[in-house]
Amino acid sequence: QQQVKQSPQSLIVQKGGISIINCAYENTAFDYFPWYQQFPGKGPALLIAIRPDVSEKKEGRFTISFNKSAKQFSLHIMDSQPGDSATYFCAALRQNFVFGPGTRLSVLP
Amino acid sequence: DAGVTQSPTHLIKTRGQQVTLRCSPKSGHDTVSWYQQALGQGPQFIFQYYEEEERQRGNFPDRFSGHQFPNYSSELNVNALLLGDSALYLCASSTWAGMHNSPLHFGNGTRLTVT
Repeated sequence: QQQVKQSPQSLIVQKGGISIINCAYENTAFDYFPWYQQFPGKGPALLIAIRPDVSEKKEGRFTISFNKSAKQFSLHIMDSQPGDSATYFCAALRQNFVFGPGTRLSVLP
Repeated sequence: DAGVTQSPTHLIKTRGQQVTLRCSPKSGHDTVSWYQQALGQGPQFIFQYYEEEERQRGNFPDRFSGHQFPNYSSELNVNALLLGDSALYLCASSTWAGMHNSPLHFGNGTRLTVT
């Protein structure tokens, strides 16, 4: 019940396209859902986060969509850029953060 | 405003040895969590320290231990190293009061290689 599933494992998108990464969870006690971006050799950095009482949150080109009944949430990156190429992790918080396995995004120029 | 700093950045140890990793939290943060990130995997929670006490622990053996100092900095100790302990060890800081509405701030990690 502590697991967070994430898909796809890897994603290739053309510059200007939309990148979509999906996550699912089982534990309904999770109450905070951040997305992290990690570049090689660096620690994860917070991208955007949402609480379960909100269905969507947008910050610039990044949007989280949250479906509480389905226990799913997704990250949408609009107008994807080569600089967005990184590994993305979804996470969920109960007493500590549980991370998904990550999605490696490559944005082609 | 310094972020989370970790030392050393890289470390090579031999099986059976012991290692100590260090972390200074972001200014204003009082809670430190440690994560293990194996290659190609998401971070896995090891434990969390607040007020110099271990508050939560993940599914890691007691070869993994830690400490938090009065200035909120922290150490992660791993005894009797195994090859499988090779990973990136991440320190993350936060505020105890904001645990349920604020994110973790990560350092860049210590890359531990056990040979």
